[in-house]
Amino acid sequence: AQSVSQHNHHVILSEAASLELGCNYSYGGTVNLFWYVQYPGQHLQLLLKYFSGDPLVKGIKGFEAEFIKSKFSFNLRKPSVQWSDTAEYFCAVNGFQKLVFGTGTRLLVSP
Amino acid sequence: DTGVSQDPRHKITKRGQNVTFRCDPISEHNRLYWYRQTLGQGPEFLTYFQNEAQLEKSRLLSDRFSAERPKGSFSTLEIQRTEQGDSAMYLCASRSGTHYEQYFGPGTRLTVT
Repeated sequence: AQSVSQHNHHVILSEAASLELGCNYSYGGTVNLFWYVQYPGQHLQLLLKYFSGDPLVKGIKGFEAEFIKSKFSFNLRKPSVQWSDTAEYFCAVNGFQKLVFGTGTRLLVSP
Repeated sequence: DTGVSQDPRHKITKRGQNVTFRCDPISEHNRLYWYRQTLGQGPEFLTYFQNEAQLEKSRLLSDRFSAERPKGSFSTLEIQRTEQGDSAMYLCASRSGTHYEQYFGPGTRLTVT
């Protein structure tokens, strides 16, 4: 069965710090990987996606993620976070038509 | 912006009552998904439709749950004889047939007292 692990449940950073959120997945087939973000009071929004090709994908708001097949990982990065990045971040893998999500990481950025 | 919409946004019900939620997907999307999210967890898949056909149901979907998409447009999720454990956020998502990314609605927060 597919599964997704997000190692950091809560992360607290100061503005301008660099961010890396870990995501590991377990899935035997061709993977499509996603990061979704949920800002306070808002619905889930797609941050970025990987289907194939260049393993380094860029998303909205300066986020990027790197797919490392040998490590079954799809870590999310941002070189310099802003207070407005405070949100919950979910990694997901598309397996057999449905999305399987990790438990999420709550990011708090202090000004 | 005609995104995914859900109604109602909040529902408080007493244990044992039936509730029904509605989801209107993005108009050109033929695939529609229902997920459930509880506190501290990521969304968990419940069921999905391709047009009007319900193609997969999770084991999370007990016999008290039923979902329909009668004309391949909007969908309803009904929970019969609600239990306190049904309290959660119920999310709807849709996608087109050619793109894998799913777009989520705002969710319906159900509280069973």
